[in-house]
This record gives sequence, C-alpha cells and structure tokens, in this order.
Amino acid sequence: EPEVTQTPSHQVTQMGQEVILRCVPISNHLYFYWYRQILGQKVEFLVSFYNNEISEKSEIFDDQFSVERPDGSNFTLKIRSTKLEDSAMYFCASRRGDGYTFGSGTRLTVV
Amino acid sequence: TQLLEQSPQFLSIQEGENLTVYCNSSSVFSSLQWYRQEPGEGPVLLVTVVTGGEVKKLKRLTFQFGDARKDSSLHITAAQPGDTGLYLCAHSYHKLSFGAGTTVTVRA
Repeated sequence: EPEVTQTPSHQVTQMGQEVILRCVPISNHLYFYWYRQILGQKVEFLVSFYNNEISEKSEIFDDQFSVERPDGSNFTLKIRSTKLEDSAMYFCASRRGDGYTFGSGTRLTVV
Repeated sequence: TQLLEQSPQFLSIQEGENLTVYCNSSSVFSSLQWYRQEPGEGPVLLVTVVTGGEVKKLKRLTFQFGDARKDSSLHITAAQPGDTGLYLCAHSYHKLSFGAGTTVTVRA
C-alpha cells in the first residue's frame, strides 16, 4: 500500500538553529499538508500546499516557517530559527480525494 | 471555527468489554472522519461518514453519524489490546481539523 515517508524520524537541534523536515508524499496525490502535535496535545494544522503554492496556513505558520516542493517528489518544512516551543511531532500528509494519508512523523526536540 | 469535542478524554477497559467514544459539535458537517493514532505514529484513517444517520461497520468497530450531522460515535465490541490507541474524529474543509481525541487503553 502506498505510504507517505518522512525523514528523519528524530531530530535534536539547538535553539536558534535551522531544521528541514523532509517528506515524500504519495506519488499521485495532489494536496500536501504539514501538521504538528505537541506532546499530549491535539494534532494541529500548519499549512496546505497545492499546485506548487501554499493554499492555506494557520496562525502557527509564521515567518519562521516555510515549505517547498523542490523536485516534484519531496515536500519539505523548514524552520529557520527554532524555539523551544517548536518541540513536537511533525506530520506530513497527502491526499487525492477525501482520504488523507499521514506519514509516521518526525519528532523534533529543540534544546 | 468548527470545533469538535471528543469524550471521554481517557477510557481504560478490560479485554472483552465494549466501549463507545463520542464526537460532538454545534456545527453541521458534510462528513466526518475517524482516525486511530498509535504512539509515535501518524493518524490512520478508519472511516468517513457522510450521510446523516449512517452506520458503518469495520469488523468490531461501528461508526454512526448523527441524523443532524453534528455528532458521531465509535463503538468497539469485545475490545482487544490491539485496539489501544488515540481515536480522533476530524472534519475536512480544505484541510483536516481534529478533535482532541480519546485515549483508549484495553488491558489484557
């Protein structure tokens, strides 16, 4: 069964450093998403991406965040200057119709 | 903002027992989805309910969409330890918006 692949599975970074989280969505999917889940809290929407541009973003997705689909297969989330409160699980998802498929996530720890 | 309220927040039962978790809102939805999330993994879609009053079955899981399309329930019959996880309801309008989830623990 097709799956969404995320790398790395764990990332530890120092506060103020840049991180790039990588995702390979399902190949024939058209819509791509990033969500995050702070430990013990709900899964929160960050950003959606369609036709090579951001279609919607949440208040969380400020100027420190950016997304890119550089080569038609990878979908990346960059955090320019990480803060302690960015520590969370970050999930990538893709969809074609109504069904969303999520990756296994990247656990980001900012120290 | 269309909020989804899930209850209970936590549920711990013995293997073989039945359980029901709820997803409620004051808003009307064209559809609702149920996901299951295991620790360290992403949510996995279980079912989409579309029609008011609809009942869908997935083995021992029964999903119901309220007649007014404002609420939904998930009933698990004869729960097994493998049913342990976080059960999330979500609605989709350009993006998925999740409830806070119900953490279900099934003890062997």
